[in-house]
Amino acid sequence: DAGITQSPRHKVTETGTPVTLRCHQTENHRYMYWYRQDPGHGLRLIHYSYGVKDTDKGEVSDGYSVSRSKTEDFLLTLESATSSQTSVYFCASTSSREDEGGYTFGSGTRLTVV
Amino acid sequence: AQKITQTQPGMFVQEKEAVTLDCTYDTSDQSYGLFWYKQPSSGEMIFLIYQGSYDEQNATEGRYSLNFQKARKSANLVISASQLGDSAMYFCAMREGPRGSSNTGKLIFGQGTTLQVKP
Repeated sequence: DAGITQSPRHKVTETGTPVTLRCHQTENHRYMYWYRQDPGHGLRLIHYSYGVKDTDKGEVSDGYSVSRSKTEDFLLTLESATSSQTSVYFCASTSSREDEGGYTFGSGTRLTVV
Repeated sequence: AQKITQTQPGMFVQEKEAVTLDCTYDTSDQSYGLFWYKQPSSGEMIFLIYQGSYDEQNATEGRYSLNFQKARKSANLVISASQLGDSAMYFCAMREGPRGSSNTGKLIFGQGTTLQVKP
């Protein structure tokens, strides 16, 4: 089984609607992250979590909120989707903030806002 | 603020030749970690190699090596004996923050370099 599962894998939504993306990990990792990937920008951090109910903003957090009620689940919500939020979203996790072995990434969610 | 710069949007290499992908970084921290990831066309992020700022030797993993020049703040990825399967986008990333409680484990990514291997 994959260490991280993101759902849905693809979604098309209308401008102004709320959208929730789910990240589920089975690694018992403490630290989890949401990134968005856009051409020319690489991956940019939206929000992250350092434990259950402990979250903080990343560099591109406007228009997004997160929740983490269980170790394994990290939800990303677009409160009112806009076309600028069309992107590929990646979730990542690690057990240690000093991990040298690379972080576990999900397969990504491709979101299109029309 | 920490920053990663990859100045090569796209590169070509002949199969079986070596290629270097450039990465420079900016940080005021003394302790940091540098990562390289591969993203093939299927989209997943594949970890390749890690270099710690206090590691005196350059990291190597199979055909991948990291040319770490701390004074120049560069962490170039060298792929030896390129294969067709190496065609992908490559990201350099840095983990910000020193060791200790202020380290959140966040990764900062560069813009990426698309590598195409020619047969």
